[in-house]
Amino acid sequence: DQQVKQNSPSLSVQEGRISILNCDYTNSMFDYFLWYKKYPAEGPTFLISISSIKDKNEDGRFTVFLNKSAKHLSLHIVPSQPGDSAVYFCAAIIYQGGKLIFGQGTELSVKP
Amino acid sequence: DTEVTQTPKHLVMGMTNKKSLKCEQHMGHRAMYWYKQKAKKPPELMFVYSYEKLSINESVPSRFSPECPNSSLLNLHLHALQPEDSALYLCASSQGPGDQPQHFGDGTRLSIL
Repeated sequence: DQQVKQNSPSLSVQEGRISILNCDYTNSMFDYFLWYKKYPAEGPTFLISISSIKDKNEDGRFTVFLNKSAKHLSLHIVPSQPGDSAVYFCAAIIYQGGKLIFGQGTELSVKP
Repeated sequence: DTEVTQTPKHLVMGMTNKKSLKCEQHMGHRAMYWYKQKAKKPPELMFVYSYEKLSINESVPSRFSPECPNSSLLNLHLHALQPEDSALYLCASSQGPGDQPQHFGDGTRLSIL
């Protein structure tokens, strides 16, 4: 049973445009969500997170939106840059108790 | 620069060999984790150490044996592995048990012949 789903295996975006990566979850007990970026031959790097008490969190070019009623979160990257090309993992957890559950990942390609 | 250091970066071993993976962090984190990641799949949790004590074992086969000698070091001892154990093994740490985010190392790419 896949509790965290990223239904798009890949996404291609033009440099300077917006990248939107989506993530759905099934467990309503999840109360903290994170996005990680992974380059080939490197470990996942933490990008941004959001608590379930918020619906938006912003950090520079990266914004995460949470829609609890739809059990959906998204990561917006504006403007997209070629260096953003990587695999992006969405992850969810029941804070302070559970284990981190990752989605399957979305490979983002930003073309110059 | 990653603050969690894993060695070696690559390891090739036979099914009868014994080897160890090493992970080190100097951020003062008190929780450390081992994950396994197969190609095109997400990381999957194997073990969690909290304050140098094993707190979670996700039903991992006994051919994988974790060890936490001190608060900065985490080892994964490997013995009699199978070809299907070939994967990227990732170590992570967090400030305390259950705290987020977890900070990952670059992993050890393990191949079993």
